[in-house]
Amino acid sequence: ILNVEQSPQSLHVQEGDSTNFTCSFPSSNFYALHWYRWETAKSPEALFVMTLNGDEKKKGRISATLNTKEGYSYLYIKGSQPEDSATYLCASSGSARQLTFGSGTQLTVLP
Amino acid sequence: DTEVTQTPKHLVMGMTNKKSLKCEQHMGHRAMYWYKQKAKKPPELMFVYSYEKLSINESVPSRFSPECPNSSLLNLHLHALQPEDSALYLCASSQDISEQYFGPGTRLTVT
Repeated sequence: ILNVEQSPQSLHVQEGDSTNFTCSFPSSNFYALHWYRWETAKSPEALFVMTLNGDEKKKGRISATLNTKEGYSYLYIKGSQPEDSATYLCASSGSARQLTFGSGTQLTVLP
Repeated sequence: DTEVTQTPKHLVMGMTNKKSLKCEQHMGHRAMYWYKQKAKKPPELMFVYSYEKLSINESVPSRFSPECPNSSLLNLHLHALQPEDSALYLCASSQDISEQYFGPGTRLTVT
């Protein structure tokens, strides 16, 4: 994998459903994996930064896992709410400061 | 204050105009970034300033000219842009190699 890839591109779920999406990234020269939540007309908001293989982070109903050996991360949302509707971006960074972003997963939670 | 501010929010300019985008942060961060994002695409890194010095220029055309007057401010001077330069321009800052804090962006339209 040369680029950061996210799937699915978009997702519609019902309020109360749990959901997850995937970020794939190059496993060579890996330093950190970042997840951002981006609501329309607002700033991307940092959710998690993970560096170690097997890392798991949690913030409220949102959690993320990291597998650096195979180059993927999952983001989970438990009991989705309409306010979770946003684009979720992941980005991979190497030893330099540069972030390489995926195209994002656009989540819509229907009431 | 954990906010990165950007002005203006929206900008429409002709191909012969000269304009500037501004970014400001007061978190004491020593690295600042400019990204460009086209619709449905990932944000792409343009420039990185570290300790007020340009450290990365991702082969950006010279019609984009960055400037870092001090550690809190980052400008992007625009001159003789093309319609394909229309995009969302995001500024970010970071203290170290961990999370970057983003502004809400400037939506630029070149006519």
